[in-house]
Amino acid sequence: AQTVTQSQPEMSVQEAETVTLSCTYDTSENNYYLFWYKQPPSRQMILVIRQEAYKQQNATENRFSVNFQKAAKSFSLKISDSQLGDTAMYFCAFADSNYQLIWGAGTKLIIKP
Amino acid sequence: EADIYQTPRYLVIGTGKKITLECSQTMGHDKMYWYQQDPGMELHLIHYSYGVNSTEKGDLSSESTVSRIRTEHFPLTLESARPSHTSQYLCASSAGGARDTQYFGPGTRLTVL
Repeated sequence: AQTVTQSQPEMSVQEAETVTLSCTYDTSENNYYLFWYKQPPSRQMILVIRQEAYKQQNATENRFSVNFQKAAKSFSLKISDSQLGDTAMYFCAFADSNYQLIWGAGTKLIIKP
Repeated sequence: EADIYQTPRYLVIGTGKKITLECSQTMGHDKMYWYQQDPGMELHLIHYSYGVNSTEKGDLSSESTVSRIRTEHFPLTLESARPSHTSQYLCASSAGGARDTQYFGPGTRLTVL
């Protein structure tokens, strides 16, 4: 069965620092998609970044980038120049079929002023 | 901000009551999902729908039921609420399947006394 592991339950950094959230997954498939979603306190979950496994290039969205290591089954999220508004729960998720997402347990990220 | 709405946002109710959690989206998405999430924990899929008159159970067993009579509407019903149903319920939709971006509602936080 596919699994997604986020080994850091909680992290905190100072504003403007760079932070990396880790995510590993387990699958025997070759074609799949990976996601990072952000759930701010009392606000809606939103997509941060999406990566297609067959694409070699790491996805980026402004200050957010991923380090996708397919052989190692690793999909970390890097947040550069962190801002107070980045405080949130961050969930890593995996989809191989069109059926459903497999979610990690989440990392609570606190950005300190 | 995604156009997906959930009501009520908060609900406190006594054991044995019947409740319906509403979810509506204005994006014309065929795929809709219900997740159950305990505070600070991962999401568990309890129901999904691929279109009108299509509903399936997710991996997490749930005593709730859903219906999909209109594309934009995906209500979840609990016939007899119990304290074990206390949780947050998130509704989401997507244009494609699990590999596509999911758009989430704000959630309903349910407390059963």
